[in-house]
Amino acid sequence: KAGVTQTPRYLIKTRGQQVTLSCSPISGHRSVSWYQQTPGQGLQFLFEYFSETQRNKGNFPGRFSGRQFSNSRSEMNVSTLELGDSALYLCASSLAPGAGINEQFFGPGTRLTVL
Amino acid sequence: DAKTTQPNSMESNEEEPVHLPCNHSTISGTDYIHWYRQLPSQGPEYVIHGLTSNVNNRMASLAIAEDRKSSTLILHRATLRDAAVYYCILRDSGAGSYQLTFGKGTKLSVIP
Repeated sequence: KAGVTQTPRYLIKTRGQQVTLSCSPISGHRSVSWYQQTPGQGLQFLFEYFSETQRNKGNFPGRFSGRQFSNSRSEMNVSTLELGDSALYLCASSLAPGAGINEQFFGPGTRLTVL
Repeated sequence: DAKTTQPNSMESNEEEPVHLPCNHSTISGTDYIHWYRQLPSQGPEYVIHGLTSNVNNRMASLAIAEDRKSSTLILHRATLRDAAVYYCILRDSGAGSYQLTFGKGTKLSVIP
């Protein structure tokens, strides 16, 4: 079974631009979560989607948004990029949200650099 | 989610057992204890989880204190591939979301 895939793997943008990152979950998984990882803040939860609906959102500004499609694939968008948005963006999938015993499977991440 | 406390770093010799501690004194009755690890340049990966009883799987063992206020992840024979940051996370089994709250974790170094 293929793992979680994220595209692109690396991205360089300049301040003020916008960016869209893509995530394909493991086949059969319907829940997708996004995380941001920086050296200073560590791993922080961005948002979670299930059945095309955002179920939970972390403490990030409105410039960060996401969506999920009917095939469970998900995209996240960051508008008006700032230098501080440089980070590794990780996508994780699981069978369904809320089950405290289910594990999440993480992708390799997209490394975003904002110049 | 309730908080966990882990040492910042630990070292182990290759092929020796490693005991990674985690304190979670405010754990609630419905919190599961999850462990994830993140190898260099990779996303986190699930290691093991438990509720009350000790657990074993092919990767590791999880020993949970009787009062559940602490737990220990045990790697029986550390290999160089086990060098990673290990995260101890509490997950409420009744939560409607799969949000994982990561702390700073323990960076494990394995010495050849």
